[in-house]
Amino acid sequence: GAVVSQHPSRVICKSGTSVKIECRSLDFQATTMFWYRQFPKQSLMLMATSNEGSKATYEQGVEKDKFLINHASLTLSTLTVTSAHPEDSSFYICSASVLNYGYTFGSGTRLTVV
Amino acid sequence: ELKVEQNPLFLSMQEGKNYTIYCNYSTTSDRLYWYRQDPGKSLESLFVLLSNGAVKQEGRLMASLDTKARLSTLHITAAVHDLSATYFCAPERGGGADGLTFGKGTHLIIQP
Repeated sequence: GAVVSQHPSRVICKSGTSVKIECRSLDFQATTMFWYRQFPKQSLMLMATSNEGSKATYEQGVEKDKFLINHASLTLSTLTVTSAHPEDSSFYICSASVLNYGYTFGSGTRLTVV
Repeated sequence: ELKVEQNPLFLSMQEGKNYTIYCNYSTTSDRLYWYRQDPGKSLESLFVLLSNGAVKQEGRLMASLDTKARLSTLHITAAVHDLSATYFCAPERGGGADGLTFGKGTHLIIQP
């Protein structure tokens, strides 16, 4: 149980375009979803926390207008990278908090901006 | 702000040897997690440690938590090649399910 499905797993986009990443909780309701970013050979950094039905909370230094998060239902949270640039190329991972279980992670999205 | 210091960051060892990875964190945390990450993959949950003195073991891996010292360890016993991966410790932020702060990770290479 407690599976988070993340899509796409890989995406290549042109500079200036937008990319949407989806995370779905398959067998539970994810009240809170966390979005992390991981640059090559680095650790995971929390970007933002989204709660169903309310605005996301962004970590310091993360541009909220660039990384749009929508958590409109208890089973779906999306991250849209707007006007992507090569420096946004990274591995993006979502995670949901599960009561009495801890955290479950999506499989990650490798974004390459060319 | 919760800060996490993990060491060593890189470890090359031979099969059959024992070693310990250390994770120090700066402020009180209710839970601490250990994860494994293989290249190009997401995270695999290894352990969640909930209280002071907690010790958990799974196969050749054993994790412990000392909340007073704000220290967790991941001990590898008689390492095998399949354990080669990057290991992260991650104490929980805040007083509840507020997400995780990750250490920099320990890149472990186990050579035959």
